[in-house]
Amino acid sequence: GENVEQHPSTLSVQEGDSAVIKCTYSDSASNYFPWYKQELGKRPQLIIDIRSNVGEKKDQRIAVTLNKTAKHFSLHITETQPEDSAVYFCAASFGPNDMRFGAGTRLTVKP
Amino acid sequence: DTGVSQDPRHKITKRGQNVTFRCDPISEHNRLYWYRQTLGQGPEFLTYFQNEAQLEKSRLLSDRFSAERPKGSFSTLEIQRTEQGDSAMYLCASSSPTGGPNTGELFFGEGSRLTVL
Repeated sequence: GENVEQHPSTLSVQEGDSAVIKCTYSDSASNYFPWYKQELGKRPQLIIDIRSNVGEKKDQRIAVTLNKTAKHFSLHITETQPEDSAVYFCAASFGPNDMRFGAGTRLTVKP
Repeated sequence: DTGVSQDPRHKITKRGQNVTFRCDPISEHNRLYWYRQTLGQGPEFLTYFQNEAQLEKSRLLSDRFSAERPKGSFSTLEIQRTEQGDSAMYLCASSSPTGGPNTGELFFGEGSRLTVL
């Protein structure tokens, strides 16, 4: 069925290193791909998004890349900091009103 | 705080009881979504309102679940005859008239955590 696969489920990096999280999606019609960050006990919050007419988008230390042919997109965090520690969810639009989320990646940045 | 608010934040109930959650979206947002999130998983779509109209329902929304948005502002999600498998975080989100899953940001509430004993 229609879904979003996300890898890895957990990721531990040293402060200052880069972190990469990858997602694949099944619906070739998906055209909007946001990434949400959820800190423990908090609400998911949008950190960056990309649309299907763009291959890459960057916002300071965060970047997202999209390969529509292969149906995968990735989140890149450079110069990681302890406050980047959280669960990150990728998502893809399925139809006009439906957003499907990946299972999440728990990122731990060790000082 | 002018964000999405949900009430109650936590609910513990016995199996078979009914529970109701309330969501107050950002005031100018006409789109409202309910999601369910279980431990270690991403949010799963349950239902969507545009103003007071419920336009989409997931097959996850069994007949024990009902959602309303009577005046196009706040929304309620009721679960009847709760089961242990209903234990989860129920998240509400809203978006602006030009936002939403295909176009822009969903603003989430803090969620209502349900524990069914």
